[in-house]
Amino acid sequence: RKEVEQDPGPFNVPEGATVAFNCTYSNSASQSFFWYRQDCRKEPKLLMSVYSSGNEDGRFTAQLNRASQYISLLIRDSKLSDSATYLCVVRFFSGYALNFGKGTSLLVTP
Amino acid sequence: DGGITQSPKYLFRKEGQNVTLSCEQNLNHDAMYWYRQDPGQGLRLIYYSQIVNDFQKGDIAEGYSVSREKKESFPLTVTSAQKNPTAFYLCASRQTGGIEAFFGQGTRLTVV
Repeated sequence: RKEVEQDPGPFNVPEGATVAFNCTYSNSASQSFFWYRQDCRKEPKLLMSVYSSGNEDGRFTAQLNRASQYISLLIRDSKLSDSATYLCVVRFFSGYALNFGKGTSLLVTP
Repeated sequence: DGGITQSPKYLFRKEGQNVTLSCEQNLNHDAMYWYRQDPGQGLRLIYYSQIVNDFQKGDIAEGYSVSREKKESFPLTVTSAQKNPTAFYLCASRQTGGIEAFFGQGTRLTVV
């Protein structure tokens, strides 16, 4: 079983739509959670960390459910520039490395 | 400006040749990582290093080797033992206790 699983999509949504991505992780001893964004043929960049209480950054809201081992990312009022691949990332207690999901592809259309 | 630099951006090699990918950071980060990304796949960990002169195998270390002689540098050698080396290679660094990992721009290796 893959340690971090995401729906690969693609998600095709019109501008202004709200879209949600989900992610599950298998290791209950996980410490830190993140969403990274990766543009085509570029390196990943941190979008936001995910905290147990949930957190928001502008149009982006991240949620963590430790009991269900589930992470989500909500994007409101989608922009064309939001088109990218969104990577769910988990760091376990026992290690220092980041574990990546395969990513969810988002295409926002005019 | 502080950052993490990978070179070259594109690399072509003949099958059976070893090749070394460079990764340098001036962020004074302790930890450095090498990942491989194939089309439609997530990042898979090859090797990581938490401190100078120490490194650990990741999930797909076979056919690769690394060194960490200096804090700033973490080169990756793709050996002829790696059966399918064509991929996008990403180097990252992170300060111990820090949240964010910073990535270099990546090296696209094509073996022909």
